[in-house]
Amino acid sequence: KQEVTQIPAALSVPEGENLVLNCSFTDSAIYNLQWFRQDPGKGLTSLLLIQSSQREQTSGRLNASLDKSSGRSTLYIAASQPGDSATYLCAVRSGNQFYFGTGTSLTVIP
Amino acid sequence: DAGVIQSPRHEVTEMGQEVTLRCKPISGHNSLFWYRQTMMRGLELLIYFNNNVPIDDSGMPEDRFSAKMPNASFSTLKIQPSEPRDSAVYFCASSSQQGLNTEAFFGQGTRLTVV
Repeated sequence: KQEVTQIPAALSVPEGENLVLNCSFTDSAIYNLQWFRQDPGKGLTSLLLIQSSQREQTSGRLNASLDKSSGRSTLYIAASQPGDSATYLCAVRSGNQFYFGTGTSLTVIP
Repeated sequence: DAGVIQSPRHEVTEMGQEVTLRCKPISGHNSLFWYRQTMMRGLELLIYFNNNVPIDDSGMPEDRFSAKMPNASFSTLKIQPSEPRDSAVYFCASSSQQGLNTEAFFGQGTRLTVV
């Protein structure tokens, strides 16, 4: 069974810093990997989708990479802002299911 | 499209009562997923449907939980009888199965409190 791990569980950085969130998965047979953002009391908002054949995707200040063979993905956030504070979850699609990590809670300090 | 729509947004009920959560997936999506999120266990997949047919319900915790998808635009998750440990946020998500490299879209969730 696919297992997804996110490290660190929590991260606090001063505004303006660049940061990296990590996601690892145990089974490299995936269709895609998706990064989500979740604000307190809210649903999950999709940030980036990387297909299994792709190495990275970019959206604004966000860049996600995928190394399927090693079972790793990173989400890079450039020039962090207080509005980036949220929980970030990664999910891999294996079979017809999405397997989620437990998330990284990010706090950007003004 | 308005996205995945869940109702109610919040539900408070007494132990032993029946609870029904509702979900309307994005039009044209043929995969639907029910998740439960708690602080202790994170996001857990309860059940998913393809083309209205339940494919895997191994995540449904007990017989008290049941889910139906009578048509492509509506699904329900029912808990009967409800217990305090069922308190959680329940999310519905939908996805297209037109190639499995498509993304999942989530509703805003239903926050269930069983007292």
